[in-house]
Amino acid sequence: NAGVTQTPKFRVLKTGQSMTLLCAQDMNHEYMYWYRQDPGMGLRLIHYSVGEGTTAKGEVPDGYNVSRLKKQNFLLGLESAAPSQTSVYFCASSYGTSAVFGPGTRLTVL
Amino acid sequence: GNSVTQMEGPVTLSEEAFLTINCTYTATGYPSLFWYVQYPGEGLQLLLKATKADDKGSNKGFEATYRKETTSFHLEKGSVQVSDSAVYFCALSDQGAGNMLTFGGGTRLMVKP
Repeated sequence: NAGVTQTPKFRVLKTGQSMTLLCAQDMNHEYMYWYRQDPGMGLRLIHYSVGEGTTAKGEVPDGYNVSRLKKQNFLLGLESAAPSQTSVYFCASSYGTSAVFGPGTRLTVL
Repeated sequence: GNSVTQMEGPVTLSEEAFLTINCTYTATGYPSLFWYVQYPGEGLQLLLKATKADDKGSNKGFEATYRKETTSFHLEKGSVQVSDSAVYFCALSDQGAGNMLTFGGGTRLMVKP
């Protein structure tokens, strides 16, 4: 039981490049989330999904897209990276009220 | 909308001191309340939770009571250890909104021997 895993752990991009962050969970959770963590601002919700094939916008969705083609996976895409997207990205999944978080992806956009 | 406000850090304490980290919330419904802890270089781990008014969550010597009348969920520990040094996040979850978590800004705790 690996819980929530994220790939990659670190990434450096140049402005304008694209990339996809992968989140996988093996707990059969219905809900999955992508958050970003910035100093002094806590975690802010980017997008979330309440089930396979569904996605919805969170607090800060601009510049990101997501897909949930399989229940266990939740992908976060950056089509054209900007320096403002430099952050630590956390994926989480939940069933009921408690969420389980992945270890994070540290992304730097130059 | 929902929001969480917690005391700014860093909080610096000596080992065995008493800890309080204040947290207040604003919510339209009847949220569940959480404290998460983040150790350096790691993701967030659930520390404790409370799902209804007057519930007390507890774990590893930490406690917090869901106070609806004051919309608060303050974190306390009677005697902190160096190993408690971490960032603590207060959060709420609204079942009517996909169970998504709304976080406070986090409070860094530093415990000195």
